[in-house]
Amino acid sequence: DTAVSQTPKYLVTQMGNDKSIKCEQNLGHDTMYWYKQDSKKFLKIMFSYNNKELIINETVPNRFSPKSPDKAHLNLHINSLELGDSAVYFCASSQHGSYEQYFGPGTRLTVT
Amino acid sequence: AQTVTQSQPEMSVQEAETVTLSCTYDTSENNYYLFWYKQPPSRQMILVIRQEAYKQQNATENRFSVNFQKAAKSFSLKISDSQLGDTAMYFCAFMKPNSGNTPLVFGKGTRLSVIA
Repeated sequence: DTAVSQTPKYLVTQMGNDKSIKCEQNLGHDTMYWYKQDSKKFLKIMFSYNNKELIINETVPNRFSPKSPDKAHLNLHINSLELGDSAVYFCASSQHGSYEQYFGPGTRLTVT
Repeated sequence: AQTVTQSQPEMSVQEAETVTLSCTYDTSENNYYLFWYKQPPSRQMILVIRQEAYKQQNATENRFSVNFQKAAKSFSLKISDSQLGDTAMYFCAFMKPNSGNTPLVFGKGTRLSVIA
């Protein structure tokens, strides 16, 4: 069973479109994250949710909107996609009191 | 804000040899966690090893060990008996303690190639 899953794994779209990436974890964790890995492989936190509430929102354009319908899901919606949004987006989860984060397989987004 | 620096963008090692990847970090915290993650070409992020700052003993996981120097804010990873499957990007990461709900701060990574 996959612990943290993301859909889709690959996404190719044109500038100006709106797209969503979905994340689900079956570990019973209470905290979920979105990280962005740019073309130089640098990983940086975007958002963090704890028990469906946003607790970290780094300096990210407001075209990016996370949504957590329940503790097991954290989706990322991106409006008006730009070329610079091309990256790999990783979802991760962790449990209060534990310091290990479990990562999903990543979604490679390519904006043309 | 915490920063993590990996000064070696790329490294290579012969199969069966030992290699050390460097990492330094900057923080004013006294308690924190440090990690090494491996990212093979499959792009999956895999936790290699973890070190709690309050522990003086260096962490080890099979062929992987760390040299944690708290005063120097240094956290290097040693890979012994390197294998072809160790070829990957390696990321050093820092986490502030806050009941485990804080995000990881990553270094820029070191690309390791193991040569047959």
